[in-house]
Amino acid sequence: EAQVTQNPRYLITVTGKKLTVTCSQNMNHEYMSWYRQDPGLGLRQIYYSMNVEVTDKGDVPEGYKVSRKEKRNFPLILESPSPNQTSLYFCASSLSPTGEGGYTFGSGTRLTVV
Amino acid sequence: AQKVTQAQTEISVVEKEDVTLDCVYETRDTTYYLFWYKQPPSGELVFLIRRNSFDEQNEISGRYSWNFQKSTSSFNFTITASQVVDSAVYFCALSEPGSNYQLIWGAGTKLIIKP
Repeated sequence: EAQVTQNPRYLITVTGKKLTVTCSQNMNHEYMSWYRQDPGLGLRQIYYSMNVEVTDKGDVPEGYKVSRKEKRNFPLILESPSPNQTSLYFCASSLSPTGEGGYTFGSGTRLTVV
Repeated sequence: AQKVTQAQTEISVVEKEDVTLDCVYETRDTTYYLFWYKQPPSGELVFLIRRNSFDEQNEISGRYSWNFQKSTSSFNFTITASQVVDSAVYFCALSEPGSNYQLIWGAGTKLIIKP
């Protein structure tokens, strides 16, 4: 089944403890991106990747890192999480940056930083 | 700057009624892409449609239809004969080459279908 897999689905962590949210797609998509969704602020892009080893900042990159060493994986790294990073995170992928065929989203990761 | 406006914060209708969700966009580019996504209460984001700026044909998929009008910068979504399972938040989104195809999302419209 074609899908984007994010892990974990739920995570509660403490301020400052490094964490990684994994994202993997099995559709050989070139384009991958991370979003966060917050009440009243909607969906905002954190980082995106046009292809392997090509990443760039979205609207809200502060406090996050990403890497794209393989086509299928695009992990989101929070080096020192803070409470303002409490949010619902989504990973997405598509054939191309134009969203050909639509962007496929993972099921989401609900992160709470205390 | 690109912008997507979904002015209807919440719509509530009774099952079997038709309902239209509005989406108005702003863009400087002549080439751009418009999307609709559904977010049911379970939280996932479900792709519904992608439309490029050069294709103004209306689209119908079962009970769903989309009306794309460049003259009014609108891309409205209609559900015919609504069902309870249609209850969700619906998002309209825009991407354009001038912004590296970054998806810009509307605030969403919460649709409640009452039995």
